[in-house]
Amino acid sequence: EDQVTQSPEALRLQEGESSSLNCSYTVSGLRGLFWYRQDPGKGPEFLFTLYSAGEEKEKERLKATLTKKESFLHITAPKPEDSATYLCAVMGEGAQKLVFGQGTRLTINP
Amino acid sequence: EAGVAQSPRYKIIEKRQSVAFWCNPISGHATLYWYQQILGQGPKLLIQFQNNGVVDDSQLPKDRFSAERLKGVDSTLKIQPAKLEDSAVYLCASSPDGNYGYTFGSGTRLTVV
Repeated sequence: EDQVTQSPEALRLQEGESSSLNCSYTVSGLRGLFWYRQDPGKGPEFLFTLYSAGEEKEKERLKATLTKKESFLHITAPKPEDSATYLCAVMGEGAQKLVFGQGTRLTINP
Repeated sequence: EAGVAQSPRYKIIEKRQSVAFWCNPISGHATLYWYQQILGQGPKLLIQFQNNGVVDDSQLPKDRFSAERLKGVDSTLKIQPAKLEDSAVYLCASSPDGNYGYTFGSGTRLTVV
């Protein structure tokens, strides 16, 4: 069974203080690893898809990386508007569904 | 491009009552998903449709939950009778072909009292 574990559960940073969120996964053949952002009262919003180990993708202050066992979401010089819950999900071979982790709730204080 | 529409946004019911949620996916998207997100947890798949056929309903509590997707477009999810543990946000998502490009709606927040 595909599994995703995210850490930490919650993270509080000062504005400009860089950090990383972790997503560890177990999957029978990775088709894709997905990062989503979720704001309170809204549905998840797509950020990145990573397909193979060594791949990296960037968007503004966010950079996602992938190894064979885990993915990191690096946040550089974050701003208060980056505050949200970040969700990681995997899609395994032969599947057309996403299996999500429990999310990391990120708070950036001004 | 219009997004995934869901209604209602909020619903409060008493336990043992019934409730229904509605989802209108992005036009042309063949695959539709219903996810349940309990507070503080990640979304969990309840059911997946490809056009109007069910692909995966292995985690749907079939004794109380039902879903349909008539004509391969809109979908409804029903709970009857509701339990306290059904309190959650019910998210609908659609995808062109079920592989990539998921788009989520804003969800329906259900509170069972």
